[in-house]
Amino acid sequence: GENVEQHPSTLSVQEGDSAVIKCTYSDSASNYFPWYKQELGKRPQLIIDIRSNVGEKKDQRIAVTLNKTAKHFSLHITETQPEDSAVYFCAAFDDYKLSFGAGTTVTVRA
Amino acid sequence: KAGVTQTPRYLIKTRGQQVTLSCSPISGHRSVSWYQQTPGQGLQFLFEYFSETQRNKGNFPGRFSGRQFSNSRSEMNVSTLELGDSALYLCASSLGGTEGEQYFGPGTRLTVT
Repeated sequence: GENVEQHPSTLSVQEGDSAVIKCTYSDSASNYFPWYKQELGKRPQLIIDIRSNVGEKKDQRIAVTLNKTAKHFSLHITETQPEDSAVYFCAAFDDYKLSFGAGTTVTVRA
Repeated sequence: KAGVTQTPRYLIKTRGQQVTLSCSPISGHRSVSWYQQTPGQGLQFLFEYFSETQRNKGNFPGRFSGRQFSNSRSEMNVSTLELGDSALYLCASSLGGTEGEQYFGPGTRLTVT
């Protein structure tokens, strides 16, 4: 089955700096890669996604890149703000199933 | 549009009991997936239903089961509860296509004592 690895597990950045989270997947059949943000006590929220036929997608301060050959994808957050502090999960979709990375706890220092 | 709803939000059960959790998807969504979230194992896929049919199932014991009704609402059942079943159970709804944009409900926090 699909195996998604996510790094780093924790990330502390100064407000205004950029944050990068990287994920790798194992199953070349995976065709859709969403990113979720989960604040403490809340549900995972879909923040951005990318499909296998696209290399990069941007939405305001967040962007995602996908390298299908290397089977890795990354989340980039620019100009980080305190409200970006949360746990971020990457996932890979195949056969109607999302396989998640272990999560990255992002802390934005004021 | 109303979001995904789950009931109940919190449950406390005793080992050996069984429990049923409910999920109502976003209107128009025909697929419901269930996930278990724990600090140790993260987010793990339980099963997915589309038009009352299970299309995929994760690596969980047979004590975990689910079903979907004709109105797309879904239930999951856990029988013979064990302490290790304590977790946040999340459902997610989607249109059901081959590219799975999924939206999560608030979850049901299950505590087994």
